[in-house]
Amino acid sequence: AAGVIQSPRHLIKEKRETATLKCYPIPRHDTVYWYQQGPGQDPQFLISFYEKMQSDKGSIPDRFSAQQFSDYHSELNMSSLELGDSALYFCASSLTGGNGNTIYFGEGSWLTVV
Amino acid sequence: AQTVTQSQPEMSVQEAETVTLSCTYDTSESDYYLFWYKQPPSRQMILVIRQEAYKQQNATENRFSVNFQKAAKSFSLKISDSQLGDAAMYFCAYRSAEDSNYQLIWGAGTKLIIKP
Repeated sequence: AAGVIQSPRHLIKEKRETATLKCYPIPRHDTVYWYQQGPGQDPQFLISFYEKMQSDKGSIPDRFSAQQFSDYHSELNMSSLELGDSALYFCASSLTGGNGNTIYFGEGSWLTVV
Repeated sequence: AQTVTQSQPEMSVQEAETVTLSCTYDTSESDYYLFWYKQPPSRQMILVIRQEAYKQQNATENRFSVNFQKAAKSFSLKISDSQLGDAAMYFCAYRSAEDSNYQLIWGAGTKLIIKP
């Protein structure tokens, strides 16, 4: 079965640079989520989109922005990167009312800021 | 606000034996979902099992089963015939069914070690 696809899987950026992560949700899923997971932590919710509209916002820094496009793929843009932004970033998707609203995760994108 | 508590930071079990991971949660809602996710060293987040709160029957997926006690707000995961590949961080998570946009509420995780 198709899963959530994230790219790139790894990237290294310098402080103050910009990074963009891409996500392709499971086909027909109507909600996309972005999570950030630091070392030894549980995933922290950043932002979500329902049918291409922002639906919920968590602890996303103002330096970060995200959007969902007409083809349902989503991008997380991170600017003025800081060392503390180094983390594993998950994209996830779900279908409202489907499979108990289960959220399925991609394999994650590792961001290292140096 | 809902909370999820995993009181066991680390558990170890001998290969082929059975282990139970604990999870308790707090909510005032009556309709919700509970999940166990597994995160192996690769850090991929993998769904293990799902339980709908309105279902009294405990969910089962092959060697994985849950003991869902709604009144006690307890949701433990039992892993039978433990295998080396089960070694991972296990997260218990809660999701409201009363708003489809609610995100997951996570426990702190339990690190499971499998002894060969």
